[in-house]
Amino acid sequence: AQRVTQPEKLLSVFKGAPVELKCNYSYSGSPELFWYVQYSRQRLQLLLRHISRESIKGFTADLNKGETSFHLKKPFAQEEDSAMYYCALMKGGGADGLTFGKGTHLIIQP
Amino acid sequence: KAGVTQTPRYLIKTRGQQVTLSCSPISGHRSVSWYQQTPGQGLQFLFEYFSETQRNKGNFPGRFSGRQFSNSRSEMNVSTLELGDSALYLCASRKEVGQPQHFGDGTRLSIL
Repeated sequence: AQRVTQPEKLLSVFKGAPVELKCNYSYSGSPELFWYVQYSRQRLQLLLRHISRESIKGFTADLNKGETSFHLKKPFAQEEDSAMYYCALMKGGGADGLTFGKGTHLIIQP
Repeated sequence: KAGVTQTPRYLIKTRGQQVTLSCSPISGHRSVSWYQQTPGQGLQFLFEYFSETQRNKGNFPGRFSGRQFSNSRSEMNVSTLELGDSALYLCASRKEVGQPQHFGDGTRLSIL
């Protein structure tokens, strides 16, 4: 069965510092990977999907099939980035539910 | 465009009762998925409906069931409630297979 691991439950960085949220997965096929974000008192929303290869709010994520990772990065953190971040995997073909990691709570300190 | 709407937002039930949660997807979305979120297990996939048919199912007991109507609205039912069913239940919709899912605010279910 597929699995998504986010090793950090909590990550605290200072404003302006680089941010990297780690995500590793295990799946024998070709997955599609996503990052979802949940800001305080808001619903879970899509941040990035790997096939889009775009930057959203300054965040990027590259799928590394060799290392089975999909780390989320931002060069300069902003206070409004404080939120809960979830990495999620969808099995190849997309005809299945999402498998989520346990999430990383990102806190940006002023 | 209105987002995914879930009702009610909060529910309190006692053990042994049953409960029905409702989800209205984004207009034009034919797929509705349900997830359970708990502090211990995180977000777990329950099932997905597409055009009124259950397409996929997660690893949950038969007490958890759902259905989808012709207007794509979906309901989830949990029978014989247990304390461990206390959770936030999230609904997500998408247009087609392979498209990203859009989530609602959830229904928080508390079992006394």
